[in-house]
Amino acid sequence: NAGVTQTPKFQVLKTGQSMTLQCAQDMNHEYMSWYRQDPGMGLRLIHYSVGAGITDQGEVPNGYNVSRSTTEDFPLRLLSAAPSQTSVYFCASRYTGQDYGYTFGSGTRLTVV
Amino acid sequence: GENVEQHPSTLSVQEGDSAVIKCTYSDSASNYFPWYKQELGKRPQLIIDIRSNVGEKKDQRIAVTLNKTAKHFSLHITETQPEDSAVYFCAAKLGGGTSYGKLTFGQGTILTVHP
Repeated sequence: NAGVTQTPKFQVLKTGQSMTLQCAQDMNHEYMSWYRQDPGMGLRLIHYSVGAGITDQGEVPNGYNVSRSTTEDFPLRLLSAAPSQTSVYFCASRYTGQDYGYTFGSGTRLTVV
Repeated sequence: GENVEQHPSTLSVQEGDSAVIKCTYSDSASNYFPWYKQELGKRPQLIIDIRSNVGEKKDQRIAVTLNKTAKHFSLHITETQPEDSAVYFCAAKLGGGTSYGKLTFGQGTILTVHP
């Protein structure tokens, strides 16, 4: 049981480049989400999914796309990277219908130059 | 949507003292309130949580209290130790509807425990 696995751990992009951050979980969690963490701003929700084929926007969705074709995977796509997207990105998952804490991935530190 | 305010942003205590971090939330429909600890360079880890039908919960040196009327909840750490030094986040989850499962986080508190 690996929990929530994020790749890559570190990434440097040039402005305008695109990339996909990968997130996979092996706990059969229905709910998956992406957060970004910036100093002094806590964790802000980008996108989330309550099951395969269902996604919705969080509070800071602009510049990001997601899809959920399987229960296990929830990739986050940066369409055209901007310096404002420099951040640490965390994927998190949980069972739906229950108030249990989220399991977080180890994070991806992204720098856009 | 939900808004969570967390105070203080930094907290410095001596080893053995108590530490208290407070959060307020805006949406009375929120029904689940977890606290996370994040050590430098690590992922957030759940340390304690409380549901809206409970007023207080304790786990060894850590306790959380919830005041639904005032819409605030607090984390209490007693007999602090240097290894308690970390960033602590509170969060609130709305119950029901299309937003169920979404956690809204506070801005974080940097706790430093001096030996």
